[in-house]
Amino acid sequence: DTAVSQTPKYLVTQMGNDKSIKCEQNLGHDTMYWYKQDSKKFLKIMFSYNNKELIINETVPNRFSPKSPDKAHLNLHINSLELGDSAVYFCASSHLEGNEQYFGPGTRLTVT
Amino acid sequence: AQRVTQPEKLLSVFKGAPVELKCNYSYSGSPELFWYVQYSRQRLQLLLRHISRESIKGFTADLNKGETSFHLKKPFAQEEDSAMYYCALREPGRRALTFGSGTRLQVQP
Repeated sequence: DTAVSQTPKYLVTQMGNDKSIKCEQNLGHDTMYWYKQDSKKFLKIMFSYNNKELIINETVPNRFSPKSPDKAHLNLHINSLELGDSAVYFCASSHLEGNEQYFGPGTRLTVT
Repeated sequence: AQRVTQPEKLLSVFKGAPVELKCNYSYSGSPELFWYVQYSRQRLQLLLRHISRESIKGFTADLNKGETSFHLKKPFAQEEDSAMYYCALREPGRRALTFGSGTRLQVQP
């Protein structure tokens, strides 16, 4: 299936740990994104990235870092996890000038 | 900075009733507006965009620049329309979307 996939689907970890969430798209898109959905279902952009440009939402703590080994992957590394990081994280992708973003299924992160 | 407002957290209607999900935006230029939908246990997906002016699943949305609104409408709601609906804005030249806080539509039998 052509799609945006994320792993893991669920992630439960303790405060202070470092974790990664992986995202892969096989749609041939050149731009990928990470969004955070909080407990009130509010979706907020964290990063948008293509092979030339990384745009960071300035409100994102620098404990969060995107890493892109190639155009089809954009992983999210989180250092020193905090309780407030608990949320659902969505990866998405699109063409550079495309209107539609395709979303992954989400990763529910719970920090205890 | 741009902002998208969806004033209703929950909208509950009966099957066959008209539906209007409100969306207002604040942006000084000419943005692109979208509606995304998330059905239960499914991923977020595009429902419609203002530039295409199309009707998807019976839903339409008209961009009103004077009122800075992009309300989503359907004349007769169906039970399968029950979902979370997000209004989103994209600035010209930018790729990321700014989402509203979402409205949960509940269509009762």
